[in-house]
Parts: sequence; C-alpha cells; structure tokens
Amino acid sequence: QQQVKQSPQSLIVQKGGISIINCAYENTAFDYFPWYQQFPGKGPALLIAIRPDVSEKKEGRFTISFNKSAKQFSLHIMDSQPGDSATYFCAASKATGNTGKLIFGQGTTLQVKP
Amino acid sequence: GAGVSQSPSNKVTEKGKDVELRCDPISGHTALYWYRQSLGQGLEFLIYFQGNSAPDKSGLPSDRFSAERTGGSVSTLTIQRTQQEDSAVYLCASSQGSTQYFGPGTRLLVL
Repeated sequence: QQQVKQSPQSLIVQKGGISIINCAYENTAFDYFPWYQQFPGKGPALLIAIRPDVSEKKEGRFTISFNKSAKQFSLHIMDSQPGDSATYFCAASKATGNTGKLIFGQGTTLQVKP
Repeated sequence: GAGVSQSPSNKVTEKGKDVELRCDPISGHTALYWYRQSLGQGLEFLIYFQGNSAPDKSGLPSDRFSAERTGGSVSTLTIQRTQQEDSAVYLCASSQGSTQYFGPGTRLLVL
C-alpha cells in the first residue's frame, strides 16, 4: 500500500514534443505529490508538486494532472528541450500529521532528441 | 544560501569495513532525511529526524545501519560491516515544510 508505480521506465521524445510520465499510488492517505528531476551525478531537485485538492497545476512548460478517484497523477512536459533530458521521479507522502517521508516511483529516464 | 552538502562524495571500501557518511543540512531546516538510491532504482527512505523528536528509523534495512544527528544540524549515517549489496548512492535531504532539498549524495562502492 506504500508503493508508487511509475511508467514508462524510459522515454525518447523529439525536441518540441510532449513528454508524459505517469504514476499511480495506492495509499489514499497520501496528500502531497511532488515530481523531482535528477541529472547524472546530482541529487534530485524539486520540479513541481501538487496536493489532492486540485486537479491540475502548471508551472511554465511543466504540468501535473491529478486524478484522485483513479489514484493517478502525471507529469506533462510541453515543448520538450534537450536540456530536459534527465531522470524524473514521482513521489508521494503524507505531508500532514506524519514524518513527510517520500515514497518514490522507480524513475523515468527521458531523452529529448535535437 | 548554501544547499545541502554531503561528504565524502565518493567512498570505496572493502567488505566488512565500517563507513561513515556525513550530511550538512540547510541552515534552519529542522527536518533531515536519508535515502538510498541503488543503481537504476528509485529512492528508498532510510531514516528521518525532526528537531528533538525520536527519529523515524522504519526504513533502515538492517541493524548494521544507524544514524545520528548532533545538535539538530549535522547528521552521520554509519554502516557497519559493509556488504556488497550496500553499494549505492546515499542521499540526504533537509526541509522546513513540504519541500525536501537534496544533497549531491555519497556514492558508496563496497568491494
């Protein structure tokens, strides 16, 4: 019940295209859903996050779509650029009334071709 | 200000030896987390510190793993009698609120 399942494992997109990464969770107590971006040799960095009281959040070219009834959320990267090539992790946590420890998906390696 | 720093950046050790990994969180952050990232895998929670509260050790994989946080700031993760399966990147994160800020990690290789 603590798992977060992420797909696809890898993704290749042409420059200018849309990258879509999906995650599903089981624990309905989760109330915080961040996406992290990780470049080789670096630690993960927060990209964008959402709480379950909204269905969508957009920051620049990055959008999270959240479906509470399906227990799924996804990251959309519009106008994908070669600089977006990285590994992306979704995560979930019980941010309130708990330790806030993050449960991570397995990661998606994105390659954006010029 | 400075981000989360970790040392050493790389550590090679022999099976059976003890190792200590250090984390310096962002100044003022009361919460500190340790995660482990195995090759090609997601991040696995290990332990959490919050102020003076008892730590959440629920993610530690065995009693060979321990961690402490002195003075509510610097943290040390200790792995005793290292095994080859301990080879991974050990990441530290700190937070003051929901967002966790990660350090660059310590890459541990056990030969």
